[in-house]
Amino acid sequence: EVQLVESGGGLVQPGRSLRLSCAASGFTFDDYAMHWVRQAPGKGLEWVSGISWNSGSIGYADSVKGRFTISRDNAKNSLYLQMNSLRTEDTALYYCAKDRWVQLWSYQFDCWGQGTLVTVSS
Amino acid sequence: AIQLTQSPSSLSASVGDRVTITCRASQGISSTLAWYQQKPGKAPKLLISDASSLESGVPSRFSGSGSGTDFTLTISSLQPEDFATYYCQQFNNYPITFGQGTRLEIK
Repeated sequence: EVQLVESGGGLVQPGRSLRLSCAASGFTFDDYAMHWVRQAPGKGLEWVSGISWNSGSIGYADSVKGRFTISRDNAKNSLYLQMNSLRTEDTALYYCAKDRWVQLWSYQFDCWGQGTLVTVSS
Repeated sequence: AIQLTQSPSSLSASVGDRVTITCRASQGISSTLAWYQQKPGKAPKLLISDASSLESGVPSRFSGSGSGTDFTLTISSLQPEDFATYYCQQFNNYPITFGQGTRLEIK
């Protein structure tokens, strides 16, 4: 069974940093691009960042570019999101999501974790 | 950025009804559109990929159609478990964007 489990969320002050993790199991992790998608409380979905299967290609939403860094460790079946210079508008539930295609970007997310909540507040 | 506008934003319907949700893109995106279902407190679930391909395990009462700028998600006969929020998503251009969502409620 494909499983994605996020961790690392919490309450943080504006301007501080936080690192999210996503542990993957049940599939060949290093065959798939992975993504972070967030959802502010009571709001819709926003794609945050994606990384190719081999880390050779990375993309970011304009809202986080220059502040967030996505990475992965295929040996550990893990995905990460380093979030710096956090703003109140970054408050959201952050989902880890698996891309649909093997070794290609489809930007369609066929498996999601349950999310980890990040709250940015003073 | 490509904007996706879903209509209606909310919808009340009864079990057994046929329901159609529309997603309009601000510019042509070929068939690079997906549909997701999200139930309260749960992660989204991919229903339709590439505008019209039903994902494995998704009931056949769900269908997607369209290309270019206009897309539809149709549920042929609503079941109790279908009451949820539905999102369209385009992946033709960066940034990847989602529609604002359509909340489907029980009448």
